Amino acid sequence: QKEVEQDPGPLSVPEGAIVSLNCTYSNSAFQYFMWYRQYSRKGPELLMYTYSSGNKEDGRFTAQVDKSSKYISLFIRDSQPSDSATYLCAMTRNTGNQFYFGTGTSLTVIP
Amino acid sequence: ETGVTQTPRHLVMGMTNKKSLKCEQHLGHNAMYWYKQSAKKPLELMFVYNFKEQTENNSVPSRFSPECPNSSHLFLHLHTLQPEDSALYLCASSQSRTSIDGEQFFGPGTRLTVL
Repeated sequence: QKEVEQDPGPLSVPEGAIVSLNCTYSNSAFQYFMWYRQYSRKGPELLMYTYSSGNKEDGRFTAQVDKSSKYISLFIRDSQPSDSATYLCAMTRNTGNQFYFGTGTSLTVIP
Repeated sequence: ETGVTQTPRHLVMGMTNKKSLKCEQHLGHNAMYWYKQSAKKPLELMFVYNFKEQTENNSVPSRFSPECPNSSHLFLHLHTLQPEDSALYLCASSQSRTSIDGEQFFGPGTRLTVL
């Protein structure tokens, strides 16, 4: 069983739509959860970072963590063409431990 | 230059060649990482250096040899690679291996093709 599962997509939505990206994981010891965005020909950049369960909001982006279900989500409101990228979830047990990444979901927002 | 830079951006090499990838970070960080990114696969951590000392080697074949001469520079020396080693090789850095905020800053990667 993979540590982290992520639907690779591709996902295509019209501009203005709400996008939901998800990951599931198997290791209940994970406590730190991250979402990275990777544009074509670029390295990943950190979008959101949460510790333990709960929600975190930053502008149009909301990250949710449900540790009881081992499920994390990233919601993008009012999606824009500039949001077109691959979104990677990542998680780790503790600071200083290895990050475990999902395979990434490719998102295209159509104008 | 700002952030994390990597050279070359693209590399094509034969299986008998020897080449090196270079990474430089301009962020004053103390930890540096090599990752391999293949299509449809999660990022694979290869090596970690913390304060110039290698702290992790995730069962990487010996045909990949890292070098960290100082906290700002990281190299990945390649020799006798296989076609399945073709991938995007990403360098990253963080404040230290135990950064509380967990943020790793990535370079743009080197796209490696092994013929």
